[in-house]
Amino acid sequence: EVQLLESGGDLVQPGGSLRLSCTASGFTFSNYAMTWVRQAPGKGLQWVSAISHSGAATYYADSVKGRFTISRDNSKNTLYVQMNNLRAEDTALYYCANYDSTGEIPAVIWGQGTMVTVSS
Amino acid sequence: DIVMTQSPLSLPVTPGEPASISCRSSQSLLRSNGYHYLYWYLQKPGQSPQLLIYLGSNRASGVPDRFSGSGSGTDFTLKISRVEAEDAGVYYCMQAVQTPFTFGPGTKVDIK
Repeated sequence: EVQLLESGGDLVQPGGSLRLSCTASGFTFSNYAMTWVRQAPGKGLQWVSAISHSGAATYYADSVKGRFTISRDNSKNTLYVQMNNLRAEDTALYYCANYDSTGEIPAVIWGQGTMVTVSS
Repeated sequence: DIVMTQSPLSLPVTPGEPASISCRSSQSLLRSNGYHYLYWYLQKPGQSPQLLIYLGSNRASGVPDRFSGSGSGTDFTLKISRVEAEDAGVYYCMQAVQTPFTFGPGTKVDIK
């Protein structure tokens, strides 16, 4: 069974940094591209970032470009997002999701999410 | 960026009745391979989103056949042939024809 478990969410002050992790199991992680999507409290879904299976290609939403860095460690079956210079508007539940094997479906299975709160 | 719109934003439905949600994009979601990069997700209350439809009209694994997706270019529709109580939640369309991927605002389906 495919499982994705996010961790690392916390309360952080504006301008601070945080690194989220997503640990995968139940599939060959190194063969699949991955995605981060976030959801502000009471709001809709917002795509944040994606990374190819090898990590060679990365993509970002304009709102996080230059502040967030997506990466992966295929030896640890783990996806990361390093979030710097955090803003109040980054407050959200952050989900990781896996692509399908063809790379045509950006978010097949979703984790339960980890909460990031940016506030002083 | 491609802007996604949905209508209606709220949809009360009676069990056993059909339901339909429209999704429109500001640019065509058709790629040269002939596929439309349009996806439908359902987020049930208190849960993570789940994939319903991919590439415009393909049901994801385990999705009941009462769900169907159709459309082309910039206009797409999700249909539920006979709504069941478990179908309550917020339905989102998402485009992945180009980054940044973008979601529609969501359609909240309430079961009467």
